[in-house]
Amino acid sequence: DADVTQTPRNRITKTGKRIMLECSQTKGHDRMYWYRQDPGLGLRLIYYSFDVKDINKGEISDGYSVSRQAQAKFSLSLESAIPNQTALYFCATRDGGDTEAFFGQGTRLTVV
Amino acid sequence: GQNIDQPTEMTATEGAIVQINCTYQTSGFNGLFWYQQHAGEAPTFLSYNVLDGLEEKGRFSSFLSRSKGYSYLLLKELQMKDSASYLCAVRVYNTDKLIFGTGTRLQVFP
Repeated sequence: DADVTQTPRNRITKTGKRIMLECSQTKGHDRMYWYRQDPGLGLRLIYYSFDVKDINKGEISDGYSVSRQAQAKFSLSLESAIPNQTALYFCATRDGGDTEAFFGQGTRLTVV
Repeated sequence: GQNIDQPTEMTATEGAIVQINCTYQTSGFNGLFWYQQHAGEAPTFLSYNVLDGLEEKGRFSSFLSRSKGYSYLLLKELQMKDSASYLCAVRVYNTDKLIFGTGTRLQVFP
């Protein structure tokens, strides 16, 4: 099983719908991140969390919300999806200190 | 604010050496990561530098100069499977955010 699991892997939804992307990890890491990736724009940070009670906005948080239900789970919600939120979304986790981030396999979201 | 620059695309020949540069300007610096990402897949960790100098790991090496806000990733003995995007990321001091550059797409030709 993957250390960082994202569900769903692919999703097509309609404009205005609420959608939740889920991320769970078995690595025991305290830090979790949500990124979106668009062609030519790289990975952009949406939200990040250091523990259940510590959630922070990233560079592009407008239109998104998150929930850290447990140390192992970090969900990203689009309250009212719009077409320019069509992107590849990645969840990542890392431990504190000089450690690398581990990524989930990504969720490809299409808003029509 | 944060700004990380990398070339958009590079090409190279199998067996050759290629250097991918990354320059950064951040409000606080606490380490630089290099990741490899094949199309449609998750990024995977390649290297980490927090002090000036060269870190070597097999065919891959990464260099950092903090005073110049500059890093490079050196790939030796290129193989076809090295065709991928290479992402430079900076860990921001005091916030522990990981900020990524736009990535460099490398194509290796026979």
